[in-house]
Amino acid sequence: DVKVTQSSRYLVKRTGEKVFLECVQDMDHENMFWYRQDPGLGLRLIYFSYDVKMKEKGDIPEGYSVSREKKERFSLILESASTNQTSMYLCASSTSGSPSGKNIQYFGAGTRLSVL
Amino acid sequence: EDQVTQSPEALRLQEGESSSLNCSYTVSGLRGLFWYRQDPGKGPEFLFTLYSAGEEKEKERLKATLTKKESFLHITAPKPEDSATYLCAVRPPGANSKLTFGKGITLSVRP
Repeated sequence: DVKVTQSSRYLVKRTGEKVFLECVQDMDHENMFWYRQDPGLGLRLIYFSYDVKMKEKGDIPEGYSVSREKKERFSLILESASTNQTSMYLCASSTSGSPSGKNIQYFGAGTRLSVL
Repeated sequence: EDQVTQSPEALRLQEGESSSLNCSYTVSGLRGLFWYRQDPGKGPEFLFTLYSAGEEKEKERLKATLTKKESFLHITAPKPEDSATYLCAVRPPGANSKLTFGKGITLSVRP
């Protein structure tokens, strides 16, 4: 079974703190993704990575950065946390596959972050 | 811009009362439509992938169908344990593995 592990289920941080969210997958997937999920807004893509040391901006990258030093690990960084970054953060991974391949995204359990 | 619209936003059913959830999309050259189930406080769990109009997939009480403009998730004789939020996502052409998600449908099944 695919396993995507997020390091924390719940986090409480102060405004202005630097926050690290960690994600590890054990299926040798090339692609990794970070989303945030808010009521009424659905899942929105923050950043994604197709390979080690490679990253691309998603739909809402402002205020975030990412790091992928090893294939299995993808970190989301909040440089200076703000209250509007209080949210559920979800990590996912998938294979690259062919153009018509399955490329299913498998998700972690999520990290609920509260910024006070 | 690619769009995914799910309806209704919320659905309350009596146990055994069959119904359908709708996912409409405006993607040209669809390269996959995905259904996920999400329980409160957890990550989405993959259910089905559909690739071409006319395709159908089944799993227990769930059946997903696809046309050129929409997908339906049919729930037959639901049970309380089917209560969850159901997410639909599409993969446009040239998007590698990126998905565009709808906002989800929250299903409640009363015993």
